[in-house]
Amino acid sequence: AQTIHQWPVAEIKAVGSPLSLGCTIKGKSSPNLYWYWQATGGTLQQLFYSITVGQVESVVQLNLSASRPKDDQFILSTEKLLLSHSGFYLCAWIGTPNQAPLFGEGTRLSVL
Amino acid sequence: GDSVTQTEGPVTVSESESLIINCTYSATSIAYPNLFWYVRYPGEGLQLLLKVITAGQKGSSRGFEATYNKETTSFHLQKASVQESDSAVYYCALGETQGGRALIFGTGTTVSVSP
Repeated sequence: AQTIHQWPVAEIKAVGSPLSLGCTIKGKSSPNLYWYWQATGGTLQQLFYSITVGQVESVVQLNLSASRPKDDQFILSTEKLLLSHSGFYLCAWIGTPNQAPLFGEGTRLSVL
Repeated sequence: GDSVTQTEGPVTVSESESLIINCTYSATSIAYPNLFWYVRYPGEGLQLLLKVITAGQKGSSRGFEATYNKETTSFHLQKASVQESDSAVYYCALGETQGGRALIFGTGTTVSVSP
């Protein structure tokens, strides 16, 4: 069975500090991978997607970047956090077209 | 553009009462959108509740039902008799889930079921 795991579960970070969030997929090769973000009181917005290793496309600009160093790994990062980065980050994967995306447990980020 | 609008929360209902969460969508760039309801229980990740890919059809899961109505562009979620364990945040979403496209979500509706 396919599983998706995100880390860390939660982070409290200072403004201006770096950030790295991870997502690992097990049991499926070459999945389409996605990062979503939800600000408090806001809606889930797609940030990035990746169809293959080494290729990442940005959907929304939030001064964040993403990378796909391995087929089963998707990383979200920034060198300098802003207060506005606070929220809930979700990684998702889709194995076949029209499949319902499977989501990870999410990471709750608080930037102070 | 493409968007989803759903009932604003929080919604509070008593156990064994009925629940309806309204969802309407606009799909201007997606010819045949799939419609989804996801749920997030306290302390857990986002889980698929139900999915319908064909207009006119109904999806059901865990006692919840939703019918894909293309005429009214709606996909309301209903349950006849809720339980305390149904307390969660419910998200309506649409999409084609191909290539770079993933899902477009509504804002989520927080439902609290009181015993």
